Amino acid sequence: GQSLEQPSEVTAVEGAIVQINCTYQTSGFYGLSWYQQHDGGAPTFLSYNGLDGLEETGRFSSFLSRSDSYGYLLLQELQMKDSASYFCAVRGGNNRLAFGKGNQVVVIP
Amino acid sequence: DVKVTQSSRYLVKRTGEKVFLECVQDMDHENMFWYRQDPGLGLRLIYFSYDVKMKEKGDIPEGYSVSREKKERFSLILESASTNQTSMYLCASSLTGDLAYEQYFGPGTRLTVT
Repeated sequence: GQSLEQPSEVTAVEGAIVQINCTYQTSGFYGLSWYQQHDGGAPTFLSYNGLDGLEETGRFSSFLSRSDSYGYLLLQELQMKDSASYFCAVRGGNNRLAFGKGNQVVVIP
Repeated sequence: DVKVTQSSRYLVKRTGEKVFLECVQDMDHENMFWYRQDPGLGLRLIYFSYDVKMKEKGDIPEGYSVSREKKERFSLILESASTNQTSMYLCASSLTGDLAYEQYFGPGTRLTVT
């Protein structure tokens, strides 16, 4: 089976850096995806790590350590529009994603 | 751009009614998914389909069924709606294999069962 843990909420000021952690337990692991969801909106894909290490996409970076069953999403130079929920999702071998409960980020001026 | 559409944004139904939620994707994706999203519980998979007429149960299939008669369309059916099925329902689609890590979501249907 799969289980994912994410802390629930973080508040940060504009321009700051926020790290959202994700630990997982799964019987079959192919990679870790990250999604962003604004209030009232649909989840949208941000990043994917299939291998250990850091993936950078603009202000956002994602990291994976398979040996530690751990990953994180790093949000840099926070902007007000980054206020959203962020989900990690474990990709198993059957094309499914198992989503974590999500972490709400609130950006304040 | 991939587009996933859902038949309704908001739906109000009575207990015991049969409810159909429709989802259509326009990118020829093999995989389609139905999730429900409740506060504090994240996205939970109800059913998914990896091909026409093929389906697999997700984590919470009880009280639901699905239908996929055409590749682009995936329907979620609540045979007899109950108040505990009040939720946000999200449809998603993806390619298969190595590209399955990226799912494209529809706007969601907020269902209220009274």
